[in-house]
Amino acid sequence: NAGVTQTPKFRILKIGQSMTLQCTQDMNHNYMYWYRQDPGMGLKLIYYSVGAGITDKGEVPNGYNVSRSTTEDFPLRLELAAPSQTSVYFCASSPRQIYAQYFGPGTRLTVT
Amino acid sequence: GQQVMQIPQYQHVQEGEDFTTYCNSSTTLSNIQWYKQRPGGHPVFLIQLVKSGEVKKQKRLTFQFGEAKKNSSLHITATQTTDVGTYFCAGWPGTYKYIFGTGTRLKVLA
Repeated sequence: NAGVTQTPKFRILKIGQSMTLQCTQDMNHNYMYWYRQDPGMGLKLIYYSVGAGITDKGEVPNGYNVSRSTTEDFPLRLELAAPSQTSVYFCASSPRQIYAQYFGPGTRLTVT
Repeated sequence: GQQVMQIPQYQHVQEGEDFTTYCNSSTTLSNIQWYKQRPGGHPVFLIQLVKSGEVKKQKRLTFQFGEAKKNSSLHITATQTTDVGTYFCAGWPGTYKYIFGTGTRLKVLA
């Protein structure tokens, strides 16, 4: 039981490049979330999903896209990377809406 | 908009001293969660409080939810070096998401 896994761990992008951050959970959780954490700050919700095929925007969705074709996977797509997207990205999952969230190890992204 | 503020932002304590972090919401919360994030790590769930005035203990950690359900606190008795990290509260205002506080970074000096 691996929990929530994220790849890659680190990535450096040039301005304007695109990439997909992968997130997989093996706990059969319906709820999945993408957060970003800027240095010294809390977590801001980018997108969330309540089940396969259902996604919705969080607080800071601009510049990102998501899809949820299976219960296990919730990839985050960055289009046209900008320096403001330099951050640590965490994926999390939860079995119910009001319940503990289980976080992945994070992806540290730098855009230069 | 809805905000959850945490104080202090940083706290340095000598090992063995007590530590408290406070979480204050601009709106009434249905419940509140606490997470711990070790340096370079990811947030790890500690506890969830639901009832007004609720107090829960986990060994040296005491969590409290205010009577008005707008504030919460985490108290650590006799800190140890293993307590180092950032402590976040996350409040559920009854909408679609938890609102995370800005966190309190704890350093414990041996």
